[in-house]
Amino acid sequence: AQSVTQPDIHITVSEGASLELRCNYSYGATPYLFWYVQSPGQGLQLLLKYFSGDTLVQGIKGFEAEFKRSQSSFNLRKPSVHWSDAAEYFCAVGAGLTGGGNKLTFGTGTQLKVEL
Amino acid sequence: DAGVIQSPRHEVTEMGQEVTLRCKPISGHNSLFWYRQTMMRGLELLIYFNNNVPIDDSGMPEDRFSAKMPNASFSTLKIQPSEPRDSAVYFCASSLGQLDNEKLFFGSGTQLSVL
Repeated sequence: AQSVTQPDIHITVSEGASLELRCNYSYGATPYLFWYVQSPGQGLQLLLKYFSGDTLVQGIKGFEAEFKRSQSSFNLRKPSVHWSDAAEYFCAVGAGLTGGGNKLTFGTGTQLKVEL
Repeated sequence: DAGVIQSPRHEVTEMGQEVTLRCKPISGHNSLFWYRQTMMRGLELLIYFNNNVPIDDSGMPEDRFSAKMPNASFSTLKIQPSEPRDSAVYFCASSLGQLDNEKLFFGSGTQLSVL
């Protein structure tokens, strides 16, 4: 069964500073990896995803993530954080379903706080 | 498209009462998922449907929980009887149900409080 570990429960960064959120996964085959963001009182929104090809993927809002098979990691990065990036971030691994689609297993999330 | 629509947004009920959460997936989506989010356990997949058929309900915590999808545009998650430990945010999500790498679209959730 697949699993995801996000070792950092809370992270605080200053506005304009760089950001890296860690994610490690466990999956027996080539993983489909996702990062979602959740703002307070809202559902989850997809930031980016990886399924094959270039291991550095670009997402919305200036985020990027790098897939490293040797480290079983899929860390999320942003060069310069904005106050509006404060939210909770979830890493997820997807397992394909018979008949199509996938089932996501989520990490426990990292709460990002941005100091002005 | 209006996205995934969940109702109600907030539900407060007393222990022992029946609770019904509702979800309307995005039109044309074939897969529907119910997730529960708590501080202690994070996001847990409760059950998912493909083409209105329940495929895996191994995440449903107890027999008090049941879910149905009578047609492609509607699903319910029912808790009977409800207990305080059921208090959580319940999310419904849908996807096309065609590709392994497709994304899920989430509703805004139902905040359930069982007193």
